[in-house]
Amino acid sequence: QSVLTQPPSVSGAPGQRVTISCTGSSSNIGAGYDVHWYQQLPGTAPKLLIYGNNNRPSGVPDRFSGSKSGTSASLAITGLQAEDEADYYCQSYDSSLSGSWVFGGGTKLTVL
Amino acid sequence: QVQLQQWGAGLLKPTETLSLTCAVYGGSFSGYYWSWIRQPPGKGLEWIGEINRRGSTDYNPSLKSRVTISEDTSKNQFSLNLSSVTAADTAVYYCARGHGGATSIYFDYWGQGTLVTVSS
Repeated sequence: QSVLTQPPSVSGAPGQRVTISCTGSSSNIGAGYDVHWYQQLPGTAPKLLIYGNNNRPSGVPDRFSGSKSGTSASLAITGLQAEDEADYYCQSYDSSLSGSWVFGGGTKLTVL
Repeated sequence: QVQLQQWGAGLLKPTETLSLTCAVYGGSFSGYYWSWIRQPPGKGLEWIGEINRRGSTDYNPSLKSRVTISEDTSKNQFSLNLSSVTAADTAVYYCARGHGGATSIYFDYWGQGTLVTVSS
């Protein structure tokens, strides 16, 4: 059971827009702590996709965007491409666990 | 370009100690938070612990009694020891660089991962 809750799977057709939610609580996202997002292609290490809620590292396409409100955050992907098929994870800080970094359970994105 | 290269034993018996090392190339070692993160087969990511810019450590409370993370700044390396392993510790272990500060750390560079299997 992850501290941050994500839907196990989402899907969309090429060119469509999909969103992935990340729901936390008052001890993590709701406390104002930043949310970060990672993309993990099969058999590879996770790659930083969004940091500080809505910032993209150099090289990440602007099709990827992040937002945060209350106890939840979202990752949006527009203009869906086949290469976007991957697992996506959110990450934040949780103050209730003696202070530690926590991840969501992950969401499998399928491009139809 | 920053690169993290990790190594260590991939097959352990129950009760043995898991030992992994991660070397950092192409960037500064000081000023960052160096973490270990694991991923059981087919499951999500779990933060194990870190050694931070002051040389002090923080661990996941669920693993704290068995984890030790250390650093060798002369070699730009940091290491993970996890004692008394069981089958539940079977996972891909990643080293990662934590960037940021205080309560906003994100992991911007990752090692290639090491599959550690615990089996009798």
